[in-house]
Amino acid sequence: EPEVTQTPSHQVTQMGQEVILRCVPISNHLYFYWYRQILGQKVEFLVSFYNNEISEKSEIFDDQFSVERPDGSNFTLKIRSTKLEDSAMYFCASSGGVMGQNQPQHFGDGTRLSIL
Amino acid sequence: EDKVVQSPLSLVVHEGDTVTLNCSYEVTNFRSLLWYKQEKKAPTFLFMLTSSGIEKKSGRLSSILDKKELFSILNITATQTGDSAIYLCAVRRGYQKVTFGTGTKLQVIP
Repeated sequence: EPEVTQTPSHQVTQMGQEVILRCVPISNHLYFYWYRQILGQKVEFLVSFYNNEISEKSEIFDDQFSVERPDGSNFTLKIRSTKLEDSAMYFCASSGGVMGQNQPQHFGDGTRLSIL
Repeated sequence: EDKVVQSPLSLVVHEGDTVTLNCSYEVTNFRSLLWYKQEKKAPTFLFMLTSSGIEKKSGRLSSILDKKELFSILNITATQTGDSAIYLCAVRRGYQKVTFGTGTKLQVIP
């Protein structure tokens, strides 16, 4: 069964550095998402992306964050000037097809980001 | 602000028991309600509900939505230790944003 893949599985970074989290969504999906889950807290929506542009973003997704689909398969989340509070599990998700906006989102296994 | 509240927060049952997990929501422009199971890492999709009163069923799991009272339940019958996980309820507003609840942690003991 096709799946969403994320790399790396764990990223350790010094505070103030930039990180790029990578995702390969399911190949025929058109809608892409990033979520984060701080340890012990709920999954929080960050951003959705369709047709090469952001379609919706949460208040968490400020100027520190950006997303990109640099080629036909990858979807990346860049976090600039990381802070301690950015430490979390970051999940990528995708949903598919023409009516994909109301299809269930399939999640990757996540990247655990640890900021030191 | 969109709100999704799950109860109970945690639950311990014995194998073979039946459990009911609850999810209530307040969201504008409701599109669908989703249930996910989260074991170690990624939430895995269980059900998507868009219409009131229509039960969705998969094996020992079933779920139903009440759009008038703004809640959903997830039932698991004849529980097994493999059902131990966090069960997440999420509500989609509009076309994109999904708001998750904090989850119900279910532990099934032999």
